[in-house]
Amino acid sequence: AQRVTQPEKLLSVFKGAPVELKCNYSYSGSPELFWYVQYSRQRLQLLLRHISRESIKGFTADLNKGETSFHLKKPFAQEEDSAMYYCALRGAGGYNKLIFGAGTRLAVHP
Amino acid sequence: ETGVTQSPTHLIKTRGQQVTLRCSSQSGHNTVSWYQQALGQGPQFIFQYYREEENGRGNFPPRFSGLQFPNYSSELNVNALELDDSALYLCASSLGPRAASGNTIYFGEGSWLTVV
Repeated sequence: AQRVTQPEKLLSVFKGAPVELKCNYSYSGSPELFWYVQYSRQRLQLLLRHISRESIKGFTADLNKGETSFHLKKPFAQEEDSAMYYCALRGAGGYNKLIFGAGTRLAVHP
Repeated sequence: ETGVTQSPTHLIKTRGQQVTLRCSSQSGHNTVSWYQQALGQGPQFIFQYYREEENGRGNFPPRFSGLQFPNYSSELNVNALELDDSALYLCASSLGPRAASGNTIYFGEGSWLTVV
């Protein structure tokens, strides 16, 4: 079964603290993994994807196939990082469909 | 470049009624998909349209149907509305129908449907 699990509904940290939003997946082939973010009153938007191995807004995520994880990390959280974060996977081949986790709300306090 | 636009933004319907939601894809995108996002959950894939035909479907009953028009815009129709259909309905568009690196999926702001 294809599934994405985000175990934390809410992650609350203080400004400047490190952040790690957890994501685990279940997929039999080689998936593409993504992180989408939704800021207050804005649309869901792509934050980063594993194939790009990029850092966006200070966030990074590494695909660990052994642990089937794709955790999102940032060394120093900022108040503007407060948002809903969704991990998603897309299966190789087939049509262009995303499977999402339930999301984690990140709250960064001053 | 115009992003994905959806209408209406909010609507309230009565159980048993029918609803039509509309979406215009991002400029240059020929593939449209629809997602349902219930409160407290992540978006769930309903179906995808390419070349005016449905070419992929999630685990939703036939009363969820859609259309795509020659200009790539799309409609989502839901018949015989149930209370559990209350959700945010997201439209998304992409450059093509296949899962491929670089074929990013872009989302609209959604239509909030409340069924009473």
